[in-house]
Amino acid sequence: GNSVTQMEGPVTLSEEAFLTINCTYTATGYPSLFWYVQYPGEGLQLLLKATKADDKGSNKGFEATYRKETTSFHLEKGSVQVSDSAVYFCALFRAGNMLTFGGGTRLMVKP
Amino acid sequence: GAVVSQHPSWVICKSGTSVKIECRSLDFQATTMFWYRQFPKQSLMLMATSNEGSKATYEQGVEKDKFLINHASLTLSTLTVTSAHPEDSSFYICSARGTGTGVSPLHFGNGTRLTVT
Repeated sequence: GNSVTQMEGPVTLSEEAFLTINCTYTATGYPSLFWYVQYPGEGLQLLLKATKADDKGSNKGFEATYRKETTSFHLEKGSVQVSDSAVYFCALFRAGNMLTFGGGTRLMVKP
Repeated sequence: GAVVSQHPSWVICKSGTSVKIECRSLDFQATTMFWYRQFPKQSLMLMATSNEGSKATYEQGVEKDKFLINHASLTLSTLTVTSAHPEDSSFYICSARGTGTGVSPLHFGNGTRLTVT
């Protein structure tokens, strides 16, 4: 079946540090891949997506590239801010309208 | 962008009572809605999938008689937690997918924090 594995958190960084959150997946065929962000006490917001191999999704300084050869979709940001503190979920989308989520990675950015 | 409104954002109820949570798509028609449950510091667990006008499909291990889902229109789905118990306390999140879309992300509500005392 489909699965998504994320690095465990929390990830604690100082402001302006470089961020990488690893995400790998297992799926048949060609899933679409997403990163969602959840701020404290809120639901999920779509951060970025990629629908095919070698696509790069980007938004708000965050980037992730769909790597089929390594079945990965790692999230990166060059310079994090305190306001980026949240939980980040990697997810894949396949037929049946269902999202499969990773376990989430909590990011804490200190000033 | 598409907005999903979830209400209430938080609710406290006594053990044995029932609680209804609403999920509305505000600017699109949601053919499919999903209900998730999230435990503290954990990922989202899909509870059920509902399509407008038909019975919800529940995931394995989710009691359909306890978590009643109604998707009566293309803009509204409700989740009723019946005879709530403290172990039902959790964060419940709905999401919706619109019509006429190809590969599209789901749009999420802001969640409802249920506390059963």
